[in-house]
Amino acid sequence: DAKTTQPTSMDCAEGRAANLPCNHSTISGNEYVYWYRQIHSQGPQYIIHGLKNNETNEMASLIITEDRKSSTLILPHATLRDTAVYYCIVRVDYRTQGGSEKLVFGKGTKLTVNP
Amino acid sequence: GAVVSQHPSWVICKSGTSVKIECRSLDFQATTMFWYRQFPKQSLMLMATSNEGSKATYEQGVEKDKFLINHASLTLSTLTVTSAHPEDSSFYICSARRPTGYGNTIYFGEGSWLTVV
Repeated sequence: DAKTTQPTSMDCAEGRAANLPCNHSTISGNEYVYWYRQIHSQGPQYIIHGLKNNETNEMASLIITEDRKSSTLILPHATLRDTAVYYCIVRVDYRTQGGSEKLVFGKGTKLTVNP
Repeated sequence: GAVVSQHPSWVICKSGTSVKIECRSLDFQATTMFWYRQFPKQSLMLMATSNEGSKATYEQGVEKDKFLINHASLTLSTLTVTSAHPEDSSFYICSARRPTGYGNTIYFGEGSWLTVV
């Protein structure tokens, strides 16, 4: 089961910042928070990931709370092409138990950017 | 550009036949690849983890004899849907872990649409 909860859908005006929240209250100390997005009929696209500190790259910023129980993905200037389903994923790493790591997807947030 | 590539992008096959989907890591070696399937308007469901040189690890409820996974090299994993039926029609997506840098990011292929008629 996915270890994250996200709102089902959100709307954002073009040019404005889109702030997508994610709750991961049961996250463990060595688990990363990953964000992907999926545009219709395509494979998921990697956006950003983080462990404790806030992260920023050319696509987005990731803000992780100090207790690591939640995070927010920020698209600073949303465009129509950012309309997609955004997935927040806690990366479960079973390698230390002899298993294999994997990404478990929840239902994600459908972000619609409006003109 | 893409770092993980799938082929074919879409395929139509007759019921009862087998179909193979390839997943390649383009500029890195991937000891671990993952296979997902996705039905319309649903999220991705992990089917199995493909390990180079060893047997795949299947998720609960996934038939290993129906969905054959082979990871014969560090850049190629294949998923073969055997004796396909219309209910196997789905979007199949692979991913690979790029073992460089911070966090060993996992990248996804473009996906392969399978339609069984």
